[in-house]
Amino acid sequence: GAVVSQHPSWVICKSGTSVKIECRSLDFQATTMFWYRQFPKQSLMLMATSNEGSKATYEQGVEKDKFLINHASLTLSTLTVTSAHPEDSSFYICSARKQGVGSYNSPLHFGNGTRLTVT
Amino acid sequence: AQSVSQHNHHVILSEAASLELGCNYSYGGTVNLFWYVQYPGQHLQLLLKYFSGDPLVKGIKGFEAEFIKSKFSFNLRKPSVQWSDTAEYFCAVGSSASKIIFGSGTRLSIRP
Repeated sequence: GAVVSQHPSWVICKSGTSVKIECRSLDFQATTMFWYRQFPKQSLMLMATSNEGSKATYEQGVEKDKFLINHASLTLSTLTVTSAHPEDSSFYICSARKQGVGSYNSPLHFGNGTRLTVT
Repeated sequence: AQSVSQHNHHVILSEAASLELGCNYSYGGTVNLFWYVQYPGQHLQLLLKYFSGDPLVKGIKGFEAEFIKSKFSFNLRKPSVQWSDTAEYFCAVGSSASKIIFGSGTRLSIRP
């Protein structure tokens, strides 16, 4: 159990366009989802915490107007990269925590990631 | 704010060698510690976690980690590695703010 599906797995878009990435928890409900960005040969950088039914909490330095996060249901969070530029090219990974399982000490379940290339 | 340091960026070992990957964290409150593994082409998976109690934690696939509070460390160990252990290993710390922060990762390469 505890499967997180991320779609698409890869996307190529032109500079200036917007791209939406979906993160779904398939067999559990997730009140909290996290969005990470991974640069080549570097660690995962937490971008934002997505809370169902409320605004996302962004980490310092992450532009909330550029990376729009919506967590409309207990099984779906979306990340929209608006007006994408080549420097936004990266690997984006979402993760989800099961609802009602302890608090911050429950492990995360990760999606397979989305490789975004902006040309 | 919490932070995690992994000092070994790339470790190369022969099969059957012993492994120890370093992880140091910085956080003023109660922490929960994790090791995640990312095999080539796959998503992150949880290896083991520490919440409280016995500081020596056993994980999957023969891995273990020891929480040493005085050293702010949570090093990952395995007595005898296999070629299939080739992967990237991430140490992570969770705080009461519900965030989990990752270290920079250590790439482990095993020579057959």
